[in-house]
Amino acid sequence: SYELTQPPSVSVSPGQTATITCSGDKMGDKYVSWYNQKPGQSPVLVVYQDTKRPSGIPERISGSNSGTTATLTISGTQAMDEADYYCQAWDSTTVIFGGGTKLTVL
Amino acid sequence: QVQLQESGPGLVKPSQTLSLTCTVSGGAISGGDYYWSWIRQHPGKGLEWIGYIYYSGKTYYNPSHKSRVSISVDTSKNQFSLKLRSVTAADTAVYFCARSPNTPMGPLDFDSWGQGTLVTVSS
Repeated sequence: SYELTQPPSVSVSPGQTATITCSGDKMGDKYVSWYNQKPGQSPVLVVYQDTKRPSGIPERISGSNSGTTATLTISGTQAMDEADYYCQAWDSTTVIFGGGTKLTVL
Repeated sequence: QVQLQESGPGLVKPSQTLSLTCTVSGGAISGGDYYWSWIRQHPGKGLEWIGYIYYSGKTYYNPSHKSRVSISVDTSKNQFSLKLRSVTAADTAVYFCARSPNTPMGPLDFDSWGQGTLVTVSS
């Protein structure tokens, strides 16, 4: 079965750039979405179809996807960005989520 | 603004059937523009897709659960439902319903989520 691999945790200082990766076989051939989830809340879509942002998501959040890795980049990271981040892809009518990355803003 | 709301028992006994309903407001399930999913999250763990349904009744299930799961839709009530049979403690989780835009490439992402409901499997 298809798997998506994320680092369990990423730490970043306020104002710096956070990068969260999501790896999988032939990742660049799939559309990847990203969600953030704060404690006790539902996930929120922050990037879809690799690079697009839903309405209301700031421009400092961006996505890319090539080769075997999709990447979520948060520029000028703020305390409010601290959350769990999940990547997700759609593979032959099946939905797969990555294991999640806890982003800590130190 | 669409809203999704899960409802159902918070406690289910082992070997019984877990039944949840998602009520959609602010948009019609029958419009055909979306797929409707169930996703769960074990305590302190990641997200796991269970399956989704189209307004026509067409379903796709996670192969890991296919033998125990059924998802149905009631367009007259603007609801869709999950049944998970023969539950064990491993099915204890927060269950979310969610919406996926129907794109030419398929239902690629989940743009709206319910608040989630905790279901505990215990005798």
